[in-house]
Amino acid sequence: KQEVTQIPAALSVPEGENLVLNCSFTDSAIYNLQWFRQDPGKGLTSLLLIQSSQREQTSGRLNASLDKSSGRSTLYIAASQPGDSATYLCAVTMDSNYQLIWGAGTKLIIKP
Amino acid sequence: KAGVTQTPRYLIKTRGQQVTLSCSPISGHRSVSWYQQTPGQGLQFLFEYFSETQRNKGNFPGRFSGRQFSNSRSEMNVSTLELGDSALYLCASSLPGVNTEAFFGQGTRLTVV
Repeated sequence: KQEVTQIPAALSVPEGENLVLNCSFTDSAIYNLQWFRQDPGKGLTSLLLIQSSQREQTSGRLNASLDKSSGRSTLYIAASQPGDSATYLCAVTMDSNYQLIWGAGTKLIIKP
Repeated sequence: KAGVTQTPRYLIKTRGQQVTLSCSPISGHRSVSWYQQTPGQGLQFLFEYFSETQRNKGNFPGRFSGRQFSNSRSEMNVSTLELGDSALYLCASSLPGVNTEAFFGQGTRLTVV
């Protein structure tokens, strides 16, 4: 059974720092991995999707990497801003069962 | 283009009642999935529909059901509500295929009292 873990559960850093969020999964037979952010009481915003054949994806100040063999993904945020404060979640899709399996998220606080 | 729309945004229901939540996907998206989010269990998959057919279902009791219409709009229904059904219910839509991004609505916050 696939299990997705995100460590740490919470992270607080000063504005301007570069930071890395971690996501690990136990079964490497994934189709893809997605990173989302969630603002309090809101829905989820898709940030990046990495297909299983890809090693990384970039969007603006965000860069996500995927190492299927070791069951890990990282989300790198450059030059963090207070507006980046949110909960970041990763989710994997297994084979073709059309469901996302989620980590518990990392709550990120960027201090001005 | 318009995003995923979920209605209503908030609901308060009494134990034993039933509730219907609605989701309108992004135009052109034929796959709709539903998730339940609670502080204790996090995000859990409920079911996924494509072209009016349920392709996958999560581990939820039969009180949770859903359907999809020919215009890809989807509804989920929860009967005989329990206090533990209080949660944020999220709907996602995507293009056909497994390697496509999921776009989420703002969710429906259901409170059962």
